[in-house]
Amino acid sequence: GEDVEQSLFLSVREGDSSVINCTYTDSSSTYLYWYKQEPGAGLQLLTYIFSNMDMKQDQRLTVLLNKKDKHLSLRIADTQTGDSAIYFCAESYTTHRDDKIIFGKGTRLHILP
Amino acid sequence: EAGVTQFPSHSVIEKGQTVTLRCDPISGHDNLYWYRRVMGKEIKFLLHFVKESKQDESGMPNNRFLAERTGGTYSTLKVQPAELEDSGVYFCASSQSGSVSGGAYTEQFFGPGTRLTVL
Repeated sequence: GEDVEQSLFLSVREGDSSVINCTYTDSSSTYLYWYKQEPGAGLQLLTYIFSNMDMKQDQRLTVLLNKKDKHLSLRIADTQTGDSAIYFCAESYTTHRDDKIIFGKGTRLHILP
Repeated sequence: EAGVTQFPSHSVIEKGQTVTLRCDPISGHDNLYWYRRVMGKEIKFLLHFVKESKQDESGMPNNRFLAERTGGTYSTLKVQPAELEDSGVYFCASSQSGSVSGGAYTEQFFGPGTRLTVL
């Protein structure tokens, strides 16, 4: 089945690390994604990871994938006020690259001063 | 290069009325997708065009929704008649064809969405 679960809210102090967690159910997922949506804006792809990878790092962002537990996490180091947004975990699950994306409900990240 | 654009940005209509949403994909992108986010819920896939053909319309809720992409450029999504539960944000996305990218991963680029409110 298609199901992506993530917590709805996270509050983090500015300068701390944020960790947003996600679980998915489809073991045949090929790509796993993190999207960011700022107020009034569209969805911005932050990063993606192939299902045969364990980790991907890109500047302040670290994605960890535990395929056995179907668990994906996004760590944002040195969280800034500009990181305040909704973060969507997502997957696509076929070998066709032009295919639909399955999203979670989104985690709203709130930055405390 | 212009990104994916959507019109209108907001629409408020009464139950029973008709609304047409428009999406202009990035020029040259054969793939066009429609998604919808109902308040507090996940973003759900509605359908996928490849050029002017419907590749996958498994996410369309019912026959009150009609999507078209005549000529393979912009797309419209018509809701007729609108119901209260149709309220939400409708996103459009586009991507290159995998064959164009040489089989490499092709990112879906999302528009800002149209917020539809049905009263």
